[in-house]
Amino acid sequence: GAVVSQHPSRVICKSGTSVKIECRSLDFQATTMFWYRQFPKQSLMLMATSNEGSKATYEQGVEKDKFLINHASLTLSTLTVTSAHPEDSSFYICSAYSSGESSYEQYFGPGTRLTVT
Amino acid sequence: GIQVEQSPPDLILQEGANSTLRCNFSDSVNNLQWFHQNPWGQLINLFYIPSGTKQNGRLSATTVATERYSLLYISSSQTTDSGVYFCAVNDYKLSFGAGTTVTVRA
Repeated sequence: GAVVSQHPSRVICKSGTSVKIECRSLDFQATTMFWYRQFPKQSLMLMATSNEGSKATYEQGVEKDKFLINHASLTLSTLTVTSAHPEDSSFYICSAYSSGESSYEQYFGPGTRLTVT
Repeated sequence: GIQVEQSPPDLILQEGANSTLRCNFSDSVNNLQWFHQNPWGQLINLFYIPSGTKQNGRLSATTVATERYSLLYISSSQTTDSGVYFCAVNDYKLSFGAGTTVTVRA
């Protein structure tokens, strides 16, 4: 149980275009999901908390107009990188915890590697 | 926010060796998780451990919350144990340490 998927696993786009990344909880419901980015040989940095049915909460320094988050259902959150530039190239990872459990143990998706040319 | 420090930053082991990874955190926390990030980037849950000791095969973890540290033990290491090990303080949101890169040589 507690499986999280992401799509796509890898994407290459041209500078100025937008890219959407999907995060799905496959076998549990998640009222809250989290989006992280990871640069090579660095740790994970939390970007935002995605709440089902309400606006996302962004961490300090993360541009909410550039990284659009939508949590349309209890099993799906999307991250759209708008007007992508080469500096947005990174590894994006989502996580979730089960709404049905009392703990906050988080489970991670396999990540999406974004390359902006 | 809570500061999370991991040591050592890098660890090279000969296959079969044992090792201990440490995670210190700056404030009291509700919970702590250990992860293994494999070469493809996937984070694999190892332990969710607020206090005490847990074991899973060749891995075990101990958290002493009152002293603000956690330890991850790897016994009889194998080449498949290579990768980056992260601890993260779980206070609803996760705050990650910088990780320990483990290389196990055959």
